[in-house]
Amino acid sequence: QQPVQSPQAVILREGEDAVINCSSSKALYSVHWYRQKHGEAPVFLMILLKGGEQKGHDKISASFNEKKQQSSLYLTASQLSYSGTYFCGTENGAAGNKLTFGGGTRVLVKP
Amino acid sequence: ETGVTQSPTHLIKTRGQQVTLRCSSQSGHNTVSWYQQALGQGPQFIFQYYREEENGRGNFPPRFSGLQFPNYSSELNVNALELDDSALYLCASSLVGVDEQYFGPGTRLTVT
Repeated sequence: QQPVQSPQAVILREGEDAVINCSSSKALYSVHWYRQKHGEAPVFLMILLKGGEQKGHDKISASFNEKKQQSSLYLTASQLSYSGTYFCGTENGAAGNKLTFGGGTRVLVKP
Repeated sequence: ETGVTQSPTHLIKTRGQQVTLRCSSQSGHNTVSWYQQALGQGPQFIFQYYREEENGRGNFPPRFSGLQFPNYSSELNVNALELDDSALYLCASSLVGVDEQYFGPGTRLTVT
């Protein structure tokens, strides 16, 4: 079953923060986060595994709440380059990267 | 180290025709997964290949088939094309046992 992402879209000014949520109706084993710019391939950001910790990549970090079956992606002090569509891909078991993606969250960072 | 490459970039086909899309995995990666991404939506898992065998399949009909070659490159074949097959087809490669998966730029297929 497809994870649900929220919000569907967010507009930020450069330097502002945002949170993107990814929720599943089933227990999660892993959550993979990608960013896709228009006309380009999705770019890998990070993976969070069941029992794992919060991770970070520059000023982008993420958490994984197993009890809530939810992951959150945090964009801190956003930069223009953060614009794009963010997707979470989930696995409900150790299935070897056979991901079920959410519908995406469009992020626009303005100067 | 080369990234994931796909060919062709764009393709226009007529309903009922057949199409073959190609993917070269990132150097050293032995697993290839194919995804279909309709406009404005997230990618949908079609199937995965490992050691030249299908290693899992999503909710796609049998007219979607694939191959993996000894050099780990892969093909996606779609028979009897339908209008709804119009989408961006992405392949992603990874190394078995390693969680990171890297996507190619995709092939934009338009069925008229």
